[in-house]
Amino acid sequence: DAGITQSPRHKVTETGTPVTLRCHQTENHRYMYWYRQDPGHGLRLIHYSYGVKDTDKGEVSDGYSVSRSKTEDFLLTLESATSSQTSVYFCAIRGGLDYEQYFGPGTRLTVT
Amino acid sequence: KNEVEQSPQNLTAQEGEFITINCSYSVGISALHWLQQHPGGGIVSLFMLSSGKKKHGRLIATINIQEKHSSLHITASHPRDSAVYICAVPRTYSGGGADGLTFGKGTHLIIQP
Repeated sequence: DAGITQSPRHKVTETGTPVTLRCHQTENHRYMYWYRQDPGHGLRLIHYSYGVKDTDKGEVSDGYSVSRSKTEDFLLTLESATSSQTSVYFCAIRGGLDYEQYFGPGTRLTVT
Repeated sequence: KNEVEQSPQNLTAQEGEFITINCSYSVGISALHWLQQHPGGGIVSLFMLSSGKKKHGRLIATINIQEKHSSLHITASHPRDSAVYICAVPRTYSGGGADGLTFGKGTHLIIQP
């Protein structure tokens, strides 16, 4: 499982509140990713990181920010949650001999 | 930006049948990923391939780079194979996957006993 954990695993929050999701890895991988998964859209990239303090936008980055102050932690922040951000969020890392992507267990976020 | 199409979207089959799931993409790639997601479960990487064929147990993945097409086959299918199968390619050719993946919408497979 490449030592990836996500917290929290489930969260219900109200519209307009800030939310931070955490991805933690134990194997010192350089590349980390945040994806969201929605019915009818599949998985889509939100942001990714290619090192400490090095991040870039993906295809659905509006309304999200990220930070990576340590190799092992990649944080995803919704500054002011909206109902359209109700989704399942997956963190992933790029590693292994073939540079496969390994996914965390996911965080189910509901914005009411 | 790469576009990925999978077919079929849904597939129901009887135990023991040979299953084929198809994936087409629009831009040349360095490698293609096949992933599996069980209901309510996490996402597991099955294969990453850049040419030819790979086999793991009853699963076989093939890719034709010239035709921009890949297939995932399951031989002697079993109810435990019931899952969503997702094809993914690098988001950009130059990124090679380092800048993330673009995913198909998935094939929902049900194997009935």
